[in-house]
Amino acid sequence: EAGVAQSPRYKIIEKRQSVAFWCNPISGHATLYWYQQILGQGPKLLIQFQNNGVVDDSQLPKDRFSAERLKGVDSTLKIQPAKLEDSAVYLCASSPWGGPDRVPPGKAFFGQGTRLTVV
Amino acid sequence: AQTVTQSQPEMSVQEAETVTLSCTYDTSESNYYLFWYKQPPSRQMILVIRQEAYKQQNATENRFSVNFQKAAKSFSLKISDSQLGDTAMYFCAFMFPQTSYDKVIFGPGTSLSVIP
Repeated sequence: EAGVAQSPRYKIIEKRQSVAFWCNPISGHATLYWYQQILGQGPKLLIQFQNNGVVDDSQLPKDRFSAERLKGVDSTLKIQPAKLEDSAVYLCASSPWGGPDRVPPGKAFFGQGTRLTVV
Repeated sequence: AQTVTQSQPEMSVQEAETVTLSCTYDTSESNYYLFWYKQPPSRQMILVIRQEAYKQQNATENRFSVNFQKAAKSFSLKISDSQLGDTAMYFCAFMFPQTSYDKVIFGPGTSLSVIP
């Protein structure tokens, strides 16, 4: 099966500029995650969608970050304006939703990420 | 709050030897899943192994196996016959169900180097 697709792979911008990342999850996966991974750290969840609704955005810096998931499929993550500390890898992942009985059990599939450098 | 701890930031192992990576977690949930993910320099997160909390039997996948101690909230990964391609960051992750979605939390990671 096709994996999670992300673009671009790399992006360099100046601080205060804006940037957008795109993610195409695996077909049929109800759940989509955006993670921020700073060098040397584990992924931090920014936002999680269930179909086209947001179920968790508690760690999303909403003054500068925004995300949407159109028609419950593709998603974009935007940063405006960017700060130096936003330099990180942004990972998108998707997983099937097995329902309240968890059939099948959840498993997340990841894209290759976008490495953002803010200078 | 649910947390995942990996107390070994870096580890190394000789090729063909066995290494164990540690992970502990804190939760009040009874129904959850535990994962080990591998992230090589290519950045692609690859699922290595998965364990369902309701299963007492430890999961195994070829050279990878886990030691799941539910009461101790411990979930260690053993890599046997280490290979150069095992060099990567390894993340322990914890998934637990909410009413209508699953929530995933990652540990800080362990950098593993396999030495020829």
